[in-house]
Amino acid sequence: EAEVAQSPRYKITEKSQAVAFWCDPISGHATLYWYRQILGQGPELLVQFQDESVVDDSQLPKDRFSAERLKGVDSTLKIQPAELGDSAMYLCASKGAKYTGELFFGEGSRLTVL
Amino acid sequence: DQQVKQNSPSLSVQEGRISILNCDYTNSMFDYFLWYKKYPAEGPTFLISISSIKDKNEDGRFTVFLNKSAKHLSLHIVPSQPGDSAVYFCAASVMGAGSYQLTFGKGTKLSVIP
Repeated sequence: EAEVAQSPRYKITEKSQAVAFWCDPISGHATLYWYRQILGQGPELLVQFQDESVVDDSQLPKDRFSAERLKGVDSTLKIQPAELGDSAMYLCASKGAKYTGELFFGEGSRLTVL
Repeated sequence: DQQVKQNSPSLSVQEGRISILNCDYTNSMFDYFLWYKKYPAEGPTFLISISSIKDKNEDGRFTVFLNKSAKHLSLHIVPSQPGDSAVYFCAASVMGAGSYQLTFGKGTKLSVIP
């Protein structure tokens, strides 16, 4: 069964360090999302791509976060420098052209900032 | 301002009984609603959805009810099984907007007691 791949699953870093997360969506899915889920909260959208273009990054803290999807397939989310409040689960999701309503999520990358 | 609200952080139910999870929304533009299930250290998985033109959708043990006038939806699980123990997120989208973004509630942790 096709799935969204994310890495790393777990990342522990010290504040002020740089971290990066990678996502490979389901093959053929043109729309890709990065969500952040803080413990006890629901996922919140950070950035949405359509192919290689950013559709919405209004909730992305652009002073320290960046996201790219250069070839319109896989994507990288970077944080530099990491802060204590960035500790969260970073979720990647994708959807295909035939939109039936749901997004398909990866297993997430758990970030702990010390 | 939270547009999707799940006011019960947790719910405990005996195995075999009915579980009812509730969700309220404030944005009247929402026209598609979903429930996701999430196990610890995993990404959310799609469970069931409902369009605003319907008031009920059923899939096996899972039924979602929508009351548009009250801006309220609920997920019924009958009978509840220990494997249903997870965090359940209610999500909503504005399909007509074309952005296909989901807005999530904070989740309800369901514990099914054997």
